[in-house]
Formats: sequence, structure tokens, C-alpha cells
Amino acid sequence: QKEVEQNSGPLSVPEGAIASLNCTYSDRGSQSFFWYRQYSGKSPELIMFIYSNGDKEDGRFTAQLNKASQYVSLLIRDSQPSDSATYLCAVNMDRGSTLGRLYFGRGTQLTVWP
Amino acid sequence: DVKVTQSSRYLVKRTGEKVFLECVQDMDHENMFWYRQDPGLGLRLIYFSYDVKMKEKGDIPEGYSVSREKKERFSLILESASTNQTSMYLCASSPQGAYQPQHFGDGTRLSIL
Repeated sequence: QKEVEQNSGPLSVPEGAIASLNCTYSDRGSQSFFWYRQYSGKSPELIMFIYSNGDKEDGRFTAQLNKASQYVSLLIRDSQPSDSATYLCAVNMDRGSTLGRLYFGRGTQLTVWP
Repeated sequence: DVKVTQSSRYLVKRTGEKVFLECVQDMDHENMFWYRQDPGLGLRLIYFSYDVKMKEKGDIPEGYSVSREKKERFSLILESASTNQTSMYLCASSPQGAYQPQHFGDGTRLSIL
């Protein structure tokens, strides 16, 4: 069974703080990892992707990947109330396949309070 | 820019009806996907397609079928709608390849009465 696990939250942080969102996945051969943000009533939008071990930074967002521990995280620095949303972790666990199927976690709800 | 268009934002149907949800993408993507999203259950894959006329079952295909007659269009069909199919339905597309993200449409909120 291929699974992606996230803490459901809610995670609540004050404005300006660092929000840390975590994700673990079941398949050691997983190839690519994505973070989506979903505002209430809206569809998921891609905010980050990472393929290699280590950190990848994009503005206030940093994705961290540790394949040995089967762990991927998203850090949001200088959190803003507009970051309040549900964050979905998605993993491509079908090694060798080009079908592009992603396995999604259930999401972590983040609230940033002023 | 990536564009995935779902035909209806909101839809209300009656039990027993045959329901069609349409999705069109303009990026020439090979892969297309249909999900449903329910509170507490996350995104669940219903069906996906990797080429015209090709389809694969996802995790919850029962009660649904799909059609892909043209590369840009992927239809989800509820053969005989039931109240437990009331949900948010999301369509997504991606290029072929293991490192490609999926791009989502705005979703269709379907209510079955």
C-alpha cells in the first residue's frame, strides 16, 4: 500500500514566524515530491517541487528532502496571514513509470494569526 | 500559462441520473486525472488516462466511468448518480514523465439530491 502521511493539524503560528510542515511516504524508490497549497473552496496550486536530497529554496519557501528517512518538509519563513491554507504533499511513487500518478497526503491546515 | 477548464463550477443532479463532468486542457498534456475530494478524506483518484482512449482505474472507480476521445478532453461519467457521490470533483493534467507536476482545474462541486 502506497501512503503519504501528513499531520492534519491545524498548525497555528503567529505572523512572522516559521511554519514547518512535514510529510512521510512509504515507497523508498520515490522519485519526485511536490507541495501544493489549497485555499478553502479552491483547487490545489503547485508551490514547490524537489527531486534531490537536500534543500531547495524559492522565496519564503524551502523544501527539504531526505530520501533515506523517506521524509519531505516545507518551511515557510516570515509567515503571513495570506499563507493560511491547507498544504498538500504529493509524491510520485511509481518508479520507472511516466504515467505521472501522484499520491497525495490528506493535507495540513495552517493558520497564521496576525 | 497552464489552463485546465472544468465545464461547471456547481452542479445539482438527482439520484439515478447519468451525469457528465467535462475537463479540457490546452497544454497538450498526455496525462489527465479525475479526483474527488471530501472533508477528512483528502484527494482520492478515481480514474486517469495517459493517452487518447487509454485509461487506468484509480483507487475508487466504482460507480464511475471515463472517456477520452481527444487528447485535450477527459470526461467523467456517473452512470447512475447516488447521494454518496456528492463531492468536489477535481480534474488535473500533466505532461508525460516522472518529474512532472499535475495542474488542477477549478473543480466542480456536485450535489446529488
